[in-house]
Amino acid sequence: DSGVTQTPKHLITATGQRVTLRCSPRSGDLSVYWYQQSLDQGLQFLIQYYNGEERAKGNILERFSAQQFPDLHSELNLSSLELGDSALYFCASSEGGQGLWETQYFGPGTRLLVL
Amino acid sequence: TQLLEQSPQFLSIQEGENLTVYCNSSSVFSSLQWYRQEPGEGPVLLVTVVTGGEVKKLKRLTFQFGDARKDSSLHITAAQPGDTGLYLCTEGGSNYKLTFGKGTLLTVNP
Repeated sequence: DSGVTQTPKHLITATGQRVTLRCSPRSGDLSVYWYQQSLDQGLQFLIQYYNGEERAKGNILERFSAQQFPDLHSELNLSSLELGDSALYFCASSEGGQGLWETQYFGPGTRLLVL
Repeated sequence: TQLLEQSPQFLSIQEGENLTVYCNSSSVFSSLQWYRQEPGEGPVLLVTVVTGGEVKKLKRLTFQFGDARKDSSLHITAAQPGDTGLYLCTEGGSNYKLTFGKGTLLTVNP
């Protein structure tokens, strides 16, 4: 158990819909990262927040948005969903905002299926 | 954008065999991490290598960082079924934009 929690574990929805994925980081960690993992693209970095502020942005679509709240939990919002958005979405956390130089602890993921 | 190529993509071996998987970059790594992802779980950090030529050992796992810092290898001795998983390498590029390889999916059969 990494200490990072993600809800829900599974999510099935239809094209065009909007969903929210939730992540609670390890106690004391200030950074939260979101990743998308699919068979063809592998693990793709989406976005990082550090203590409530956006720190880095990767291959995140404009239809996707995220935020980190004062209690440090984070939400990833996916809207106008398409079939190709079906994937595993991981949240990770680390102590500070140093990216690769820190150990990232990954949650168990949310499996999203868009029908 | 830095590209990370991992090989082989798939590897299926018998318990007790040795194996090596590779991670190669189109440019120099500032540092590199290896993660293992077991089925149904998130990735777990195995090691961070920073210095060219560096070798780190973690029980039966040996990690090597190339002298030119453009490649890395992971060698497993006497593989066990518990080693089964997806092995990912990653490098943090500029501005903390993390890049992962697609991984090597290792299956160790009893």
